[in-house]
Amino acid sequence: GAVVSQHPSRVICKSGTSVKIECRSLDFQATTMFWYRQFPKQSLMLMATSNEGSKATYEQGVEKDKFLINHASLTLSTLTVTSAHPEDSSFYICSAREGRGGPFNEQFFGPGTRLTVL
Amino acid sequence: GQSLEQPSEVTAVEGAIVQINCTYQTSGFYGLSWYQQHDGGAPTFLSYNGLDGLEETGRFSSFLSRSDSYGYLLLQELQMKDSASYFCAVSPPRSNQGGKLIFGQGTELSVKP
Repeated sequence: GAVVSQHPSRVICKSGTSVKIECRSLDFQATTMFWYRQFPKQSLMLMATSNEGSKATYEQGVEKDKFLINHASLTLSTLTVTSAHPEDSSFYICSAREGRGGPFNEQFFGPGTRLTVL
Repeated sequence: GQSLEQPSEVTAVEGAIVQINCTYQTSGFYGLSWYQQHDGGAPTFLSYNGLDGLEETGRFSSFLSRSDSYGYLLLQELQMKDSASYFCAVSPPRSNQGGKLIFGQGTELSVKP
């Protein structure tokens, strides 16, 4: 199956700093990537949809100026958490979708990035 | 909008069969998917129902009834490694929401010896 990687797997930072998380599709071209946040024992909450070459589409309630998303190529999307605070501590997961057509394209998930803000 | 409900926890013994239900309220969707997630890991795709009926993939089967706004995941011959969280998810209509997934709250399955 298709492989999606994320880097870093874990990051600890001080409050007020910015953190960049990378999501790469290793063996396929991802026209669309998705960013999710997951708190312990909770569901995956979709934050934004990232389309290559265009601006990301953010879900209601997600601050686009705080969570900057860039999808510069068909294999790389980045999420930058700006001015991170302890409440931003969470598990951030990306997924990638191959192709544009059809009602269903399986999403392949990255291994996630555990962010801890002190 | 979309709203999916699942039981929060299910416990079963090795070798047994367990059914995880997913009821939904949605304005329309392309299909119902199921994902498995082990603690701290990435969700992995299990099954997809685009049409009503039963889809079988090895020990896992999934069912969808649009008229009843209901679906389920059936796990047979349970193994200890099946202990994980299971999420149902819907794909909203592509016309305005680009193939994204909306997840249910998840069901934590514990398989006991």
